[in-house]
Amino acid sequence: NAGVTQTPKFQVLKTGQSMTLQCAQDMNHNSMYWYRQDPGMGLRLIYYSASEGTTDKGEVPNGYNVSRLNKREFSLRLESAAPSQTSVYFCASSRQQNTEAFFGQGTRLTVV
Amino acid sequence: AQKVTQAQTEISVVEKEDVTLDCVYETRDTTYYLFWYKQPPSGELVFLIRRNSFDEQNEISGRYSWNFQKSTSSFNFTITASQVVDSAVYFCALSEALIGVTGGGNKLTFGTGTQLKVEL
Repeated sequence: NAGVTQTPKFQVLKTGQSMTLQCAQDMNHNSMYWYRQDPGMGLRLIYYSASEGTTDKGEVPNGYNVSRLNKREFSLRLESAAPSQTSVYFCASSRQQNTEAFFGQGTRLTVV
Repeated sequence: AQKVTQAQTEISVVEKEDVTLDCVYETRDTTYYLFWYKQPPSGELVFLIRRNSFDEQNEISGRYSWNFQKSTSSFNFTITASQVVDSAVYFCALSEALIGVTGGGNKLTFGTGTQLKVEL
């Protein structure tokens, strides 16, 4: 049982480049989330998908887009990367409302 | 808006000491959930506990215990007889119901974390 799988684990981008972070869960969870973690700021929600077919903005959505491809997969896209997007990105999923979220291993992204 | 405050940025203890990590939260919801997560040096986030707002009983799991006090909006975490393997960043989080959504999802608001260092 893999849980939540994110790819890639590490990525370096040049300013202005685009990329997609992939996330898949095999726990049949309804909800999926993307967070970013920055030093001293905890985890902040970028986008979430409460159920298949829906997505919504979180606390820090600017510069990102998401796609809930199916129940298993939820991708995060950076259209034009900026140095301010240098961060560790976590994907998570939860079974239903107010149950615990399970997190992927994280993607360490550096934008130069 | 919801808010979680972990005022202790970093705590250092010697192995076998007891240590308490503080968490204070703010919410207007009457029904909410509180969580603790552990992030070891390897970087993954590990779920530790979930507690709902209607259950104020303290909980103990091995060396870990949690004290939930609604009157002070606190959900503190104590590690008894700390060990080096407890060294990690610990996050407290508060769950907000997603408005207008049926069937799933909670939006977790995290505190900024407490770095715990346990030394020999």
